[in-house]
Amino acid sequence: QKEVEQDPGPLSVPEGAIVSLNCTYSNSAFQYFMWYRQYSRKGPELLMYTYSSGNKEDGRFTAQVDKSSKYISLFIRDSQPSDSATYLCAFQSGGGADGLTFGKGTHLIIQP
Amino acid sequence: NAGVTQTPKFRVLKTGQSMTLLCAQDMNHEYMYWYRQDPGMGLRLIHYSVGEGTTAKGEVPDGYNVSRLKKQNFLLGLESAAPSQTSVYFCASSLYRGRTDTQYFGPGTRLTVL
Repeated sequence: QKEVEQDPGPLSVPEGAIVSLNCTYSNSAFQYFMWYRQYSRKGPELLMYTYSSGNKEDGRFTAQVDKSSKYISLFIRDSQPSDSATYLCAFQSGGGADGLTFGKGTHLIIQP
Repeated sequence: NAGVTQTPKFRVLKTGQSMTLLCAQDMNHEYMYWYRQDPGMGLRLIHYSVGEGTTAKGEVPDGYNVSRLKKQNFLLGLESAAPSQTSVYFCASSLYRGRTDTQYFGPGTRLTVL
């Protein structure tokens, strides 16, 4: 079983739709949960950061963490063509190596 | 405030050649990281540093060396490049590891080894 599973897509939805992106993980040591957005030929940029189970909202974005199921989600409301990008889930443990463990990313396309 | 910068942006090497990738940050961050990104593999950690003069191995360190002589710079070296090292390399930095740890990424270096 891989440490992080993320569907690579592409996921194509019409403008204005609600988008749901998901990752599952197997490492119980992960304590910090992140979503990064990466535009083509650019570096990843942090969208959301959480460290507990539950929901966190920031504008049109909502991050959801379910530690018991080892499942995290990112919801995008009122999706815009500018949201078209690759979305990477990322995890960090509370001890050991300080780097992030990334999913492979989901390529999202918002159709105008 | 430039954030995290990387030089060069692009480079083509022949097998066996050496090169150094430079990462610089102006945010006074303690932690710096080197990742590589390959199609279908995601981002993988090569090496990282938790402060000036320190380095540590990540998930895929073989074939690479690093140095952190100054707090603001983190160098990634390839002593003898191989085609398997063709990738996009990203540098990142963070203030500290903890609840508010956020890694800021540079724009990347696209390396092709022929």
